[in-house]
Amino acid sequence: QTVVTQEPSLSVTPGGTVTLTCGLSSGSVSTSDHPSWFQQTPGQPPRTLIYNTNIRSSGVPDRFSGSVLGNKAALTITGAQRDDESDYYCLFHMTGGNWVFGGGTKLTVL
Amino acid sequence: EVQLVESGGGLVQPGGSLRLSCAASGFTFGPYWMHWVRQVPGKGLVWVSRVSPDGRGTNYADFVEGRFTISRDNARDTLYLQMNSLRGEDTAVYYCLRDLYWHLDLWGRGTLVTVSS
Repeated sequence: QTVVTQEPSLSVTPGGTVTLTCGLSSGSVSTSDHPSWFQQTPGQPPRTLIYNTNIRSSGVPDRFSGSVLGNKAALTITGAQRDDESDYYCLFHMTGGNWVFGGGTKLTVL
Repeated sequence: EVQLVESGGGLVQPGGSLRLSCAASGFTFGPYWMHWVRQVPGKGLVWVSRVSPDGRGTNYADFVEGRFTISRDNARDTLYLQMNSLRGEDTAVYYCLRDLYWHLDLWGRGTLVTVSS
């Protein structure tokens, strides 16, 4: 089974830029893996930020952007705000129809 | 209001069964793939299963091992997850999601399943 690897934790200062990444144990990420990104704060269901690599979901601020960087999927937050402090998860669509989440990144804004 | 509302969670003994439901409202249910995702409190998200718009196509995570069955009733705008042979490690909040062309955009608030004697 494919394993998706995310940074367990990252930090960013308010107004700063941070990039979260997701890698696949099976090899390089491509747009055909349809990477998505989700944000979750404690006690709440996740919120969809990005789908199909780089398309922002409705209502998502443009400081969130998605891409493929090298062989990984990436979520970049430009001009981080204190309420961006959350857990972030990536999700990939695998060949055969299954989907796999990464383990999540805990982002601290300090 | 566009929403998904899960129900059917609760306490069940190991080896027991439970059927989760997810009621869709405020949008046309039929065209969407639908998914179940679970999360142990304090832990990460785990994809469980998905079903095609017509209900004929299904996929499951390896850990399901034939114990769960996903289905839908488009006439009732409802998604289901029948869970049998439940184990302690199945204890989690179960979320349903809608999916249109790899855009999983709408989450329910989840229903908690606790497997314990």
